[in-house]
Amino acid sequence: DIQMTQSPSSLSASVGDRVTITCRASQSISNSLNWYQQKPGKAPNLLIYAAFSLQSGVPSRFSGSGSGTDFTLTISSLQPEDFATYYCQQTYSTPYTFGQGTKLEIK
Amino acid sequence: QVQLQESGPGLVKPSQTLSLTCTVSGGSISSGSYYWSWIRQPAGKGLEWIGRIYTSGSTNYNPSLKSRVTISVDTSKNQFSLKLSSVTAADTAIYYCAREYGYYYDSSGYYYFDYWGQGTLVTVSS
Repeated sequence: DIQMTQSPSSLSASVGDRVTITCRASQSISNSLNWYQQKPGKAPNLLIYAAFSLQSGVPSRFSGSGSGTDFTLTISSLQPEDFATYYCQQTYSTPYTFGQGTKLEIK
Repeated sequence: QVQLQESGPGLVKPSQTLSLTCTVSGGSISSGSYYWSWIRQPAGKGLEWIGRIYTSGSTNYNPSLKSRVTISVDTSKNQFSLKLSSVTAADTAIYYCAREYGYYYDSSGYYYFDYWGQGTLVTVSS
């Protein structure tokens, strides 16, 4: 299985901050990397697919980059509704695997 | 707008079989380049992909669960289902169904979960 490691596991930030979350794969996954946002009691919501493609309806303050083994999710200016847990996911090969999550909290 | 809804017992006894159904509305389960997946999440923990099915009936399972998992599809009802046998307390989790979209670009395949059900909590306890 491909292991996905996110960092940090938790992060405190303020509204308006620029935030970056990192995801590293245990082997090259090309661009087969997705990012999801999950709020308490809700299903995950797709933000970014194929490493950098913004899902329809997702605000442009979210962006993704990377290729191979190292990827980042950037939120350019945090909004109150962005405080949530973020997961990366590789779909390069089955079994699909997720990172352990990054909880973004209000400072 | 596509919607998915999980249904099934919220409480299962140890050693029994967990059975869940996902009903798809707003679109045909048979149309398009979609797989239909199950994912679970223990309380306060991360996400685990269980497996998927294509409308042809072709399946892929997580090897960690493969010996206990069966995913099937009923296109006449626009539903797909999960069966997990010999459950233990470790199988207690929120179970999500999701639509997986796939496309090819520059000779590479890309897949992502674009629609999810709201999730259903299944507790394994006597």
